[in-house]
Amino acid sequence: DSGVTQTPKHLITATGQRVTLRCSPRSGDLSVYWYQQSLDQGLQFLIQYYNGEERAKGNILERFSAQQFPDLHSELNLSSLELGDSALYFCASSVGAGEYGYTFGSGTRLTVV
Amino acid sequence: KNEVEQSPQNLTAQEGEFITINCSYSVGISALHWLQQHPGGGIVSLFMLSSGKKKHGRLIATINIQEKHSSLHITASHPRDSAVYICAVLRINTDKLIFGTGTRLQVFP
Repeated sequence: DSGVTQTPKHLITATGQRVTLRCSPRSGDLSVYWYQQSLDQGLQFLIQYYNGEERAKGNILERFSAQQFPDLHSELNLSSLELGDSALYFCASSVGAGEYGYTFGSGTRLTVV
Repeated sequence: KNEVEQSPQNLTAQEGEFITINCSYSVGISALHWLQQHPGGGIVSLFMLSSGKKKHGRLIATINIQEKHSSLHITASHPRDSAVYICAVLRINTDKLIFGTGTRLQVFP
């Protein structure tokens, strides 16, 4: 157990639907990062939150949004799902800006059918 | 051209062999990470480097900042080392990790 908890582990949903992925960071970590890993694109940075505020944005689609709550857990919302959104979604946490490294969760495997 | 390139893409080895995986990058970085991803999907952080060399058990990671190159070595490889090894760099003055495409390692008994 890395200390970063992601739920659910697996999710199967239909095109056009909306899903929410959840991440609880390791105790003491203030930053949460979301990454997408698809077969053709590899790992891609989506978005980072630090202590409740958006800190950095990567290749995140407009159909996707995220937030970090006061208890520091984060949710990634994916809407109007397309087949191409099928991927592994990872969350990672760090104390600050990653200068002391990252701890990854075990990922949520999303399948859009 | 990708900002982070890894080689080889695939690697097979016999148990006990010495293994080297290479990573080259083209951007300014504040740190480089080596990650391990097992077939189940989970990612484990192996090393974070900003200079020199680090060792943990049978794993050794080196970085040459001037040449923008890092290597991950596995000594006395074992079947349980079979995984995808991913190089990622933290672009300088950002919080963004840029990932290589990974090296798939299979170690046979």
